[in-house]
Amino acid sequence: GAVVSQHPSRVICKSGTSVKIECRSLDFQATTMFWYRQFPKQSLMLMATSNEGSKATYEQGVEKDKFLINHASLTLSTLTVTSAHPEDSSFYICSARGQGISPLHFGNGTRLTVT
Amino acid sequence: ELKVEQNPLFLSMQEEKNYTIYCNYSTTSDRLYWYRQDPGKSLESLFVLLSNGAVKQEGRLMASLDTKARLSTLHITAAVHDLSATYFCAVDMEAGGGADGLTFGKGTHLIIQP
Repeated sequence: GAVVSQHPSRVICKSGTSVKIECRSLDFQATTMFWYRQFPKQSLMLMATSNEGSKATYEQGVEKDKFLINHASLTLSTLTVTSAHPEDSSFYICSARGQGISPLHFGNGTRLTVT
Repeated sequence: ELKVEQNPLFLSMQEEKNYTIYCNYSTTSDRLYWYRQDPGKSLESLFVLLSNGAVKQEGRLMASLDTKARLSTLHITAAVHDLSATYFCAVDMEAGGGADGLTFGKGTHLIIQP
């Protein structure tokens, strides 16, 4: 079945630094990928929709200059958290949809801790 | 704005019992998904429901969709401890799905006591 690979699975960084998270679709092409954020004991919230070859679409309240998204190819989208702060600590999950009618497949998530 | 409401949000039950999780959504959609999440892990797809009256079963889990009532149910039959997890329903943000993300319910934290 379709697989989405996300890397790294866990990262700890200092406040003020930037962190890049990669999301790859391993056996299918994904013109659209989605980035979600999940705080402890809460549901997933869509942050942005990543479109191959064009600008990402951000949900209301998500700062596009802080969460930089690049979708350079049909199999790779990256999310860069710039100038990270402790409140950015969260579980970030990417997802992509295969061809036709299929569920969104989720990456394994990245646990970001900003100290 | 699409709203997805799940209930209950927390459920503690004993093994061998049956129970149902409900998912209501606020606007027209013909795609509903159920996912499972274990602690510290990402989401595992359980079911994709695409039409009114759709029913799917996998093991002790059965999901159904009533698009007219904007309601989906996830039924657990003769629960076992391994089913303990958080279950999310999710709906495509716009009718027709495709290029849009999902709106998730708040999740149902299910604990099954041996």
